[in-house]
Amino acid sequence: EVQLVQSGAEVKKPGESLKISCKGSGYSFTSYWIGWVRQMPGKGLEYMGIIYPGDSDTRYSPSFRGQVTISADKSISTAYLQWSSLKASDTAMYYCARGMVTYYSGMDVWGQGTTVTVSS
Amino acid sequence: QSALTQPASVSGSPGQSITISCTGTSSDVGGYNYVSWYQQYPGKAPKLMIYDVSNRPSGVSNRFSGSKSGNTASLTISGLQAEDEADYYCSSYTSSSTWVFGGGTKLTVL
Repeated sequence: EVQLVQSGAEVKKPGESLKISCKGSGYSFTSYWIGWVRQMPGKGLEYMGIIYPGDSDTRYSPSFRGQVTISADKSISTAYLQWSSLKASDTAMYYCARGMVTYYSGMDVWGQGTTVTVSS
Repeated sequence: QSALTQPASVSGSPGQSITISCTGTSSDVGGYNYVSWYQQYPGKAPKLMIYDVSNRPSGVSNRFSGSKSGNTASLTISGLQAEDEADYYCSSYTSSSTWVFGGGTKLTVL
């Protein structure tokens, strides 16, 4: 079964760093792009960026460039989303999702989501 | 880049058909045949319903169909069922080599 399993919920303070993960299984992890999507409480989906684990080619949405870092470790089939200094406005659900074979077509497999809460 | 424009809500009775619109620009919806649609239930991850404007992934009911004209894409759900009540999001590939989502539409089955 093709699946993406994300790391568990996080509660952090403003200014702290954080790295959440997304582990792929059931398919060739290095052959598909992995994207990250933010959903703030009660709001819609926002595309953050995408990475190709095969060569770590990474592309960011203009709104998130410089705010987060997307990376991947193909040896353990895992993609990451990290922050160096969290803000309260980073409180949200974060989803990873697999791009289709032609990655611009859409995202066909989604992780279960990781809730990040940033509060003093 | 700005989010694609969707109606905030639509509603319909069981058995009816509804259409959700998704308006962008020539830099996204109008420029590429890479519009996708996602269904999301409260507290759940999104699910891909349509890709490449009008293609359904395996396992998605043929009651769901997609189309596009100019800068506007549409999702039509025919034979509306109670289980279709959810939030729906469109998405498009863009000229910036990224994606953009619509603001989402809440579908209510009356």
